Amino acid sequence: EAQVTQNPRYLITVTGKKLTVTCSQNMNHEYMSWYRQDPGLGLRQIYYSMNVEVTDKGDVPEGYKVSRKEKRNFPLILESPSPNQTSLYFCASSLSGASYNEQFFGPGTRLTVL
Amino acid sequence: DQQVKQNSPSLSVQEGRISILNCDYTNSMFDYFLWYKKYPAEGPTFLISISSIKDKNEDGRFTVFLNKSAKHLSLHIVPSQPGDSAVYFCAASASNNNDMRFGAGTRLTVKP
Repeated sequence: EAQVTQNPRYLITVTGKKLTVTCSQNMNHEYMSWYRQDPGLGLRQIYYSMNVEVTDKGDVPEGYKVSRKEKRNFPLILESPSPNQTSLYFCASSLSGASYNEQFFGPGTRLTVL
Repeated sequence: DQQVKQNSPSLSVQEGRISILNCDYTNSMFDYFLWYKKYPAEGPTFLISISSIKDKNEDGRFTVFLNKSAKHLSLHIVPSQPGDSAVYFCAASASNNNDMRFGAGTRLTVKP
């Protein structure tokens, strides 16, 4: 089954404790992206990757890091999480760039930073 | 700076009637627009899209209209069904850029 998977689905952590949210897709997609969803703000793009070893900042990259060492994986790293990073996070992938391509989304990771 | 705006947080319609969801954008470089549907505890799923060379795209009960001069698009659902109850996100991108901008979403409730 073609899908985007994220782990963990739920995470409660404390300020400053480094964490990684994994994302994997099995569709051989070149483009992958991370979003956060907050009430009243919709989905905001954090980082995206056009292909292996190519990453770019989205709308709200501060406080996040990403890497794309393999085509299928695109982990999101919070080196020192803060309460304002409490949010619902979605990973997405598409065949190629964001333009003219639908994105396939993972089920989401709900992160709470205390 | 929200470049894509959905000014109605919620919409309620009766089953069988038309649902009209609206979206406005400010960036004239946007040339591809999409609608996504999101159920609780799931990721958004693609619904329908339109490129700026068209003013209408239809797929079954779903039609998207684009008015470039007004920088406005709308999603029409006819007839609305209870299973259409979800949050709908409007999204836009520009061909010279690979980021994607989303609106805040509109929660549609279709009452039986």
